[in-house]
Amino acid sequence: GENVEQHPSTLSVQEGDSAVIKCTYSDSASNYFPWYKQELGKRPQLIIDIRSNVGEKKDQRIAVTLNKTAKHFSLHITETQPEDSAVYFCAASGGDYKLSFGAGTTVTVRA
Amino acid sequence: DSGVTQTPKHLITATGQRVTLRCSPRSGDLSVYWYQQSLDQGLQFLIQYYNGEERAKGNILERFSAQQFPDLHSELNLSSLELGDSALYFCASSEGTGRNTIYFGEGSWLTVV
Repeated sequence: GENVEQHPSTLSVQEGDSAVIKCTYSDSASNYFPWYKQELGKRPQLIIDIRSNVGEKKDQRIAVTLNKTAKHFSLHITETQPEDSAVYFCAASGGDYKLSFGAGTTVTVRA
Repeated sequence: DSGVTQTPKHLITATGQRVTLRCSPRSGDLSVYWYQQSLDQGLQFLIQYYNGEERAKGNILERFSAQQFPDLHSELNLSSLELGDSALYFCASSEGTGRNTIYFGEGSWLTVV
């Protein structure tokens, strides 16, 4: 099955700086890569996703890049704000149609 | 609001007991997923159903079982509960299988005492 590794586990950034979270996956058949944001005690919410026929996707301050050859994808948050503080999960959907999540990255934006 | 409804929101029960968590997927979604999230832990995939049939299985304990009914709602049954089963249990749904966006419910907080 799919194995997703996510780094770093914690990330502290100054407000206004950028944050980057990286994930690698194992199943070369994976072709769907969503990112979820989870605030404390709340449900994970989809913030952006990318499919394997696209290398990069942007939505305002958030962007995701995908390198299928290297089997890794990354989340970039620019001009970070206090409300960006949360746990972020990457995920990959492999050939078994199961969505596997990374372990999560706790992002803290310092004012 | 994701459209996925989970009940109960909170549940406190004693060790050795059995509980049932209920989930109604978004209208039109055929797939239901169950995830377990312990304190400071990630999202552990338990099981997936698609249109009433089991589609994928994760690290689900033998004491746990689930099913999806003809009206597409799903139930997760947890039996012989242990302290370590205390967690937030999420249900999620999607239109199809695997490569569709999945939407999470608010979760059911289970505390075993």
